[in-house]
Order: sequence, then structure tokens, then C-alpha cells
Amino acid sequence: EAGVTQSPTHLIKTRGQQATLRCSPISGHTSVYWYQQALGLGLQFLLWYDEGEERNRGNFPPRFSGRQFPNYSSELNVNALELEDSALYLCASSLAGLNIQYFGAGTRLSVL
Amino acid sequence: AQSVTQLDSQVPVFEEAPVELRCNYSSSVSVYLFWYVQYPNQGLQLLLKYLSGSTLVKGINGFEAEFNKSQTSFHLRKPSVHISDTAEYFCAVGGSGGSNYKLTFGKGTLLTVNP
Repeated sequence: EAGVTQSPTHLIKTRGQQATLRCSPISGHTSVYWYQQALGLGLQFLLWYDEGEERNRGNFPPRFSGRQFPNYSSELNVNALELEDSALYLCASSLAGLNIQYFGAGTRLSVL
Repeated sequence: AQSVTQLDSQVPVFEEAPVELRCNYSSSVSVYLFWYVQYPNQGLQLLLKYLSGSTLVKGINGFEAEFNKSQTSFHLRKPSVHISDTAEYFCAVGGSGGSNYKLTFGKGTLLTVNP
């Protein structure tokens, strides 16, 4: 069975551009979570989607947004990129009503 | 609010030696507890989890952890480590219900196993 898959593996953007990151959850999982792992800042919770709705949001500015599609896959959008957005972005998924999260390999975003 | 403290940022050990990675947490509500491992340039892999029941939980790769409610600790142990265990280990807490389904992570412990 496939795990959580994320694309692209690497993404290089310049300051001010927009980035779109994608995530496909484990089959049968309806919840998707996004985390940022930035150097020196550790793993920070970004967003939680369940059944197409945003359920919880971390302490990030509104230029970080996302959505969840009817097939439960998800997209994270980062607008007006800043240098400090350079990080590994990790997606996780879980079954509905059970907070056991399984992670993908991540997308490494580099902002130049 | 929840928080996690991993008491050691780096732990060097020799191959076949035992190891303990320490984790303390705080939370005002019932939580689940997790250990994840991250190998270089990879995502997080779930090592083990405590949801309820027995306080000693066994995970993959020979790791185990003990939940101690009175000391709010969840230390990770392995009786004999291998070179391949070299990685960063993260302790995390997550809500067990309601809207608190985010995970709060510690800052990680880099385990380096030397020959």
C-alpha cells in the first residue's frame, strides 16, 4: 500500500513568487496535515484539513493557504515567497477521528 | 497548550551499547504520545505510539518507550544500537479528541552511533 506521497521533491523559487506543493494521503485517510521544518525552528504545525474543510491553523501568516480536494489530496500554496520560507514542508495523513499521523518524504522549498 | 522538551540535543553512543533518549511533555488535556525518526534528507517515520493502556510500548527496529504519567515523561530506549540507527529522533504530543489534532514536536535528538 502506498504511503503519503508529496510532489515535487524539490522546488526552487525566487522571492515574491508563489509556490504550490501537493500531497496525496494514504488510501482511506481523510485528514491531511501540513508542517514546516525550517533550520533552527524545528517542526511547526501549519494546517489541518479534514473532509475538505480547514479544521485548525498554526501561527503562520495568511499567505500560507491550502485546500483539500474531494479525493482527500491536498495542496499547500505559499504566496509572496520570502527567503525565510525556505524549509522542508512535510505532509501527513490520518484516519478520520484518530490522531495517528503518517508522514511523506517532504518537499524542499528553496527561495532565492 | 502543549509542549515537548527533549532533554538532549545530541547523544553519541558506541555500536551495541544501550541508549535512552529523554522526552518530557506538558498538556492540560489527555494526549497521545509519539516518537518519530528522521533519516538524512527524508521525512518522518513513526517509531511507536502511546494511546492508552500499557505504559510500555514497543515499536519498530527494536525501540521501546515507557509512558510515565506522574513524571510526564515518555523516554525512548533501545538495548543495543546499530550504526543504522544514526538519525534524528523527535518526540511529539497530539490531542486525542476535539479540534486539537495537530502534533507538537520537541526540537529533536541527534543520535550518532559510532563503530
